Amino acid sequence: DAKTTQPTSMDCAEGRAANLPCNHSTISGNEYVYWYRQIHSQGPQYIIHGLKNNETNEMASLIITEDRKSSTLILPHATLRDTAVYYCIVRVGYGFKTIFGAGTRLFVKA
Amino acid sequence: GAGVSQSPSNKVTEKGKDVELRCDPISGHTALYWYRQRLGQGLEFLIYFQGNSAPDKSGLPSDRFSAERTGESVSTLTIQRTQQEDSAVYLCASSTQENTEAFFGQGTRLTVV
Repeated sequence: DAKTTQPTSMDCAEGRAANLPCNHSTISGNEYVYWYRQIHSQGPQYIIHGLKNNETNEMASLIITEDRKSSTLILPHATLRDTAVYYCIVRVGYGFKTIFGAGTRLFVKA
Repeated sequence: GAGVSQSPSNKVTEKGKDVELRCDPISGHTALYWYRQRLGQGLEFLIYFQGNSAPDKSGLPSDRFSAERTGESVSTLTIQRTQQEDSAVYLCASSTQENTEAFFGQGTRLTVV
């Protein structure tokens, strides 16, 4: 399974954009990059995914570098409710076997 | 139902007892996954079902852990002779097929005393 590396924690001011980086240098050509987040005491929540093109939905934008070795999740206007652990994972094989890892703990501050 | 449902939401059991955790996936979702999350840690993959078959059981930590799925719907994760290190939140997720996003339940918090 391709591995991902993320910073342990990040701070962001409320109303500003939160940019969460992820490195996945060993990603294979057919592997997608997925982002999930987990708010305290809840199950993980799907945010967005992409293969090679940048993606945007109502929650966030995903920027994937041309070589696909890294990506950035962008929350355009962070709110206090966006405080959570954000997981970047790379899909391989069956289902979501890929280990989620520790993710990035994002703190949005007023 | 509208989402993935897990029961019970909380379970406290004595060391050495057996427990059963239940997952009701979203209707029509053929893929189902079980994860374990210890306090302050990331998600640990346990097992994956495609339909009623489990092509990947590699994450089950010991032979005390087993899981089954019936009717391409409900799944049960069974832990026999529970140990204190089994204390964790057990999360279930389902998806329509292998390569789409998975939807998670709220988990079962298991405490072994």
